Amino acid sequence: AQSVTQLDSHVSVSEGTPVLLRCNYSSSYSPSLFWYVQHPNKGLQLLLKYTSAATLVKGINGFEAEFKKSETSFHLTKPSAHMSDAAEYFCVVSDLAGGYQKVTFGIGTKLQVIP
Amino acid sequence: DSGVTQTPKHLITATGQRVTLRCSPRSGDLSVYWYQQSLDQGLQFLIQYYNGEERAKGNILERFSAQQFPDLHSELNLSSLELGDSALYFCASSVAGVTSTDTQYFGPGTRLTVL
Repeated sequence: AQSVTQLDSHVSVSEGTPVLLRCNYSSSYSPSLFWYVQHPNKGLQLLLKYTSAATLVKGINGFEAEFKKSETSFHLTKPSAHMSDAAEYFCVVSDLAGGYQKVTFGIGTKLQVIP
Repeated sequence: DSGVTQTPKHLITATGQRVTLRCSPRSGDLSVYWYQQSLDQGLQFLIQYYNGEERAKGNILERFSAQQFPDLHSELNLSSLELGDSALYFCASSVAGVTSTDTQYFGPGTRLTVL
């Protein structure tokens, strides 16, 4: 079985402070994990992905995520929030089912950045 | 720009009508996915096609159907439209969807409003 849980539906931070968006997953296999960002009225854009290489993954716009197998987590972080980071973020788990890729999206976390 | 195109960008129609949404995948991608995003349901996977064949079905209503053509573009047909079908419809594509590491690239979406 495959599932993903984004622990916060909304996160609010001040500009210049760190960002932490939490994601826990469940998978029967060794999964790949993704984070996507969606700005208002836009499509989803890939931020970063983990594919069983380095556990610390660096993405675009200063974001990074760490894969922790023991905690089944893939939290997204950024040292200093910028106003342009205000968006919705989706954590995605991917593995194989019947020889084909199966993905499950989390419900999303809306990030608000306060000036 | 992800390389995935969707037309039209906006669509306004009446209840009971039928519409067709179109998607062109990235060059070289064989898999196409359709998603529905609404405020109350979040991002819902509808259906996936691989090289012209249906591969996976999600929460797709019987009133909805899709196909992928030999040139790999895809169409999503929505019929007997109801107010609740108003949503953003996204298309995504990936190279093949046979490994867990394949990335889905999203189009900009079609916003459907049913009046």
